Amino acid sequence: ETGVTQTPRHLVMGMTNKKSLKCEQHLGHNAMYWYKQSAKKPLELMFVYNFKEQTENNSVPSRFSPECPNSSHLFLHLHTLQPEDSALYLCASSSGEGGNTIYFGEGSWLTVV
Amino acid sequence: EDQVTQSPEALRLQEGESSSLNCSYTVSGLRGLFWYRQDPGKGPEFLFTLYSAGEEKEKERLKATLTKKESFLHITAPKPEDSATYLCAVHASGTYKYIFGTGTRLKVLA
Repeated sequence: ETGVTQTPRHLVMGMTNKKSLKCEQHLGHNAMYWYKQSAKKPLELMFVYNFKEQTENNSVPSRFSPECPNSSHLFLHLHTLQPEDSALYLCASSSGEGGNTIYFGEGSWLTVV
Repeated sequence: EDQVTQSPEALRLQEGESSSLNCSYTVSGLRGLFWYRQDPGKGPEFLFTLYSAGEEKEKERLKATLTKKESFLHITAPKPEDSATYLCAVHASGTYKYIFGTGTRLKVLA
């Protein structure tokens, strides 16, 4: 399925910049997720929203700020990032019930300079 | 602690040489085990969901199986286009967390 769309696909930002990543799902799901993928590490869960309410915050630094205005849209606001935050940021969605498949977008490649 | 371990980390096969990838897991109340394929620079693409021990699913050259402690992804007569990273994940009961392994990087040589 290709029902999760992420923009931008690539982003280069300075450490003092403020930028946002956007995600939209067209699958009718109620849960949305942000994951971080770094080289040779497993996918790291950052945030989970279910019906617009945040249900998980996996000890993510405050320089990452999520926003979920409705069940179809998810944002990740970025400010004063560090070079080690450079990674692939993946958005995903699921129906939220136990055991249902989670579907990913193509990801946003972030480089912090 | 819920955990997923995949092996081997990397695997090189000749075209047509069948093999298996392993996913060992520890989870408090398995709600589902998932296999994904990820190509470089792209998001993970869903392959299979398994729910209970003994369950098997197939798709083209791939077959996934599940026991109470591990899952295998069997690749029969692979082709170069099967080259990718294969990810395993589990979903534990009472949580929205999907826990991923580090993946197996598969390279199939022509």
